[in-house]
Amino acid sequence: QITLKESGPTLVKPTQTLTLTCTFSGISLSTTGVGVVWIRQPPGKALEWLALIYWDDDKRYSPSLKSRLTITKDTSRNQVVLTMTNMDPVDTATYYCAHRRVQYSVRDPFDLWGQGTMVTVSS
Amino acid sequence: QPVLTQPPSASASLGASVTLICTLSSGYSNYKVDWYQQRPGKGPRFVMRVGPGGIVGSKGDGIPDRFSVLGSGLNRFLTISNIQEEDESDYHCGADHGSGNNFVYVFGTGTKVTVL
Repeated sequence: QITLKESGPTLVKPTQTLTLTCTFSGISLSTTGVGVVWIRQPPGKALEWLALIYWDDDKRYSPSLKSRLTITKDTSRNQVVLTMTNMDPVDTATYYCAHRRVQYSVRDPFDLWGQGTMVTVSS
Repeated sequence: QPVLTQPPSASASLGASVTLICTLSSGYSNYKVDWYQQRPGKGPRFVMRVGPGGIVGSKGDGIPDRFSVLGSGLNRFLTISNIQEEDESDYHCGADHGSGNNFVYVFGTGTKVTVL
C-alpha cells in the first residue's frame, strides 16, 4: 500500500522560506519510473502544479515559480523536500504531494495523493 | 500550453446522472486529461484518464463502475451515473504538456458537483 504524508510549518512570515517534507511508504525513489510531485491549492481556488522529481533526480518546476522552488529527494529516508523562498500571503494554500510513474516514456497520472498540509503566510 | 476550462458547478438528483466537461483550448485535441475527485475537506483522488478515444489505462483505486469517460474533439467528459451522496465533490481535470525543461502540468478550475 502506497501512502504519502506532507509535513511542515502551518504558519510562516512574509519573506521567509518554506520547507515542506513529503514522507512516503510503499514506493522507493530508487525504483525506475517513480516520481513525486508537489501541488498546492489556495483556499477556494484551483489546484496548481509546483514541481516534480523522478527516481533519476530529474526535476521539473512550474515556470511561474521556478526561481523560488527547489525540490530534492532523500532516498534513504523515503522523503522529498520542497523549499519555496520569499513567501507571500498569496502563497497561503494547502500543499499536497502525490505519486506518479513514468513507464516506457508514458507519464502516468498523479494516482495517489497525501492528505495535504495547510500553510498560512502572515506576519 | 493548453488551457482547461470547466464550468464552476453542476448538480443532479440522487440516482440521476451528471456529465462534467473539461474543454481543452484550441490545438490540443489529441491531449489526454486526468480527472480527480476532491471530497469536502479532503485531498484529491485520481478517477481516470481520458483521451480522444476514451479511457486511457485503468480507473483509480476504488472508483465505482458508475464513473465513465468520453473524449470528443476538444472536450473530455466525466459522467457519473446513478449519482450517490458520496459523489458530492469538486472534480478537477488536469493534463501534461511538453517535455524536458518545457514540461508543465495544468489544471482546470474545477467543477463543484451537488447532489440534490
